[in-house]
Amino acid sequence: NAGVMQNPRHLVRRRGQEARLRCSPVKGHSHVYWYRQLPEEGLKFMVYLQKENIIDESGMPKERFSAEFPKEGPSILRIQQVVRGDSAAYFCASSPPNPTATTDTQYFGPGTRLTVL
Amino acid sequence: DAKTTQPPSMDCAEGRAANLPCNHSTISGNEYVYWYRQIHSQGPQYIIHGLKNNETNEMASLIITEDRKSSTLILPHATLRDTAVYYCIVRFVISSGSARQLTFGSGTQLTVLP
Repeated sequence: NAGVMQNPRHLVRRRGQEARLRCSPVKGHSHVYWYRQLPEEGLKFMVYLQKENIIDESGMPKERFSAEFPKEGPSILRIQQVVRGDSAAYFCASSPPNPTATTDTQYFGPGTRLTVL
Repeated sequence: DAKTTQPPSMDCAEGRAANLPCNHSTISGNEYVYWYRQIHSQGPQYIIHGLKNNETNEMASLIITEDRKSSTLILPHATLRDTAVYYCIVRFVISSGSARQLTFGSGTQLTVLP
């Protein structure tokens, strides 16, 4: 019974390159969330997606960042033209469809640590 | 979501109960209290959540005051592996799509001492 999987676990990019972070939710979960944790800071919400739809992207920077959760395959967080300030841990979480008060819980993956040189 | 206040750090002796307080004086009737923890460099781990009744699972107990303005997470027999940052989060459940995020504060750094 696999939990949330993220890959790669560590990613190194040079300034100006693109970073692609992948998240496979818990089997059967249809809601995915991305959070970012800058060094020595707390987790900040970025974006919330359901299959093929972005529901809330209020926490995501307007430029260079995009996210998708296609009908098939993992959710992807894409960062174009990375800068040193993008260096952080990026966590994905998932939750089940049709939540009840008991089941509306987010389960987190191990994170991807992005380092921009 | 209602704001929460937690002490920045606490120590606990191994084998003793760890009691982590959280104030959420502006909580509304539809908001649940959630607890997560983050062990160094790992993803946050769900612990427990509740609305107004006390809750218990295999990890911890959650005690919510009658007026719901504060709560306490209890780890009954703390071990060294419980050393982590503990986050108390208040949020609506089954809300509209725009309110499904978790808002993490600074949390409490719990250090379990041998």
